[in-house]
Amino acid sequence: ETGVTQTPRHLVMGMTNKKSLKCEQHLGHNAMYWYKQSAKKPLELMFVYSLEERVENNSVPSRFSPECPNSSHLFLHLHTLQPEDSALYLCASSQDSGADSLFYNEQFFGPGTRLTVL
Amino acid sequence: SQQGEEDPQALSIQEGENATMNCSYKTSINNLQWYRQNSGRGLVHLILIRSNEREKHSGRLRVTLDTSKKSSSLLITASRAADTASYFCATPPSGGSYIPTFGRGTSLIVHP
Repeated sequence: ETGVTQTPRHLVMGMTNKKSLKCEQHLGHNAMYWYKQSAKKPLELMFVYSLEERVENNSVPSRFSPECPNSSHLFLHLHTLQPEDSALYLCASSQDSGADSLFYNEQFFGPGTRLTVL
Repeated sequence: SQQGEEDPQALSIQEGENATMNCSYKTSINNLQWYRQNSGRGLVHLILIRSNEREKHSGRLRVTLDTSKKSSSLLITASRAADTASYFCATPPSGGSYIPTFGRGTSLIVHP
């Protein structure tokens, strides 16, 4: 148990569905991340929030929409996904203490949501 | 953009043997991190090594860093079946971002 929880753990959805992934961290961190992990590909950073402000968005399609209502919660809203979006979606948190601390400080990962798009 | 790349992609050994995996990167770094991922789970931080360190130990783990060769290695000594997992190095990407980037990982299988 890393202190980062993700729900649901598994999700199967059709291409026309709208669903949301939820991440919650109980570590008092102020930065949260969404990653996508597909088979045989590097872990892809999707979004980063620090102090509830989005600080990085790596050219992610608009069918993925993040929301960070407070420093403990992070959502990923999904709409009109494609089969190639099927992957393990990982949430992580860390402490942003300024400068380049986002790299120096350890990230704590949740267990992930296994998403299948039919 | 991604900078670190692990090698080999897959490694299969017997329990009790040592496992060595490597990470190569392209541009100068201040530090490098290693993470472990059990199948279908999140990543767990193992160790961080700074650019002014050459070697670091944590239990059965030994990490080395050679900044002249732009490479790092992770050695697991006296491996156990429970060490079966994927191992990733995380490096700062090129382009000024401070967010660590991960490679494809080394998939380690330790046979009992």
